Amino acid sequence: NAGVTQTPKFRVLKTGQSMTLLCAQDMNHEYMYWYRQDPGMGLRLIHYSVGEGTTAKGEVPDGYNVSRLKKQNFLLGLESAAPSQTSVYFCASSFGQENQPQHFGDGTRLSIL
Amino acid sequence: GQNIDQPTEMTATEGAIVQINCTYQTSGFNGLFWYQQHAGEAPTFLSYNVLDGLEEKGRFSSFLSRSKGYSYLLLKELQMKDSASYLCAPLDSNYQLIWGAGTKLIIKP
Repeated sequence: NAGVTQTPKFRVLKTGQSMTLLCAQDMNHEYMYWYRQDPGMGLRLIHYSVGEGTTAKGEVPDGYNVSRLKKQNFLLGLESAAPSQTSVYFCASSFGQENQPQHFGDGTRLSIL
Repeated sequence: GQNIDQPTEMTATEGAIVQINCTYQTSGFNGLFWYQQHAGEAPTFLSYNVLDGLEEKGRFSSFLSRSKGYSYLLLKELQMKDSASYLCAPLDSNYQLIWGAGTKLIIKP
């Protein structure tokens, strides 16, 4: 009963380093999302995917890239990390966009020094 | 623009009832979700409303008024484990969730 799995759970990076966050879901969901959550703010959508091989920009896409090569995986990349990208990152998935709830992973806590 | 307004923090007593309000302004509307998020954990789905009225699910109920841009989450028989943040999230015309900052609910014995 894994649901949505995010790796890693914690990471500390130096400014300018790159890294990839991995999200995997075993529910055969079509839709996948990457959010960031900062204190005092609502979840903000970075990028999302409506199916294998597709990606789209969300509200705050700058500085991030994504790929959805396989239906079950959605990768979030930071090419050159900046302190402003220090945040908690959540991946979510859903069957559809209408009345289907999103299921979230446990999050990745990322600090950029 | 799109805007969600919820109280930042509320305090209630174990065993009591609490109502968490949410007002929203979105570009189009396709329903509204409520999620619960315990500190340091992921949000989990509580309820979905698309039509006006009250949806009851055990101790939790959610109400929607589309004409007023208003929803509330009602929690009955409060338990200590209900201490969490409650996130209001309407679905806009592009089927994107617009997330509020959440209401932190503190339950006191």
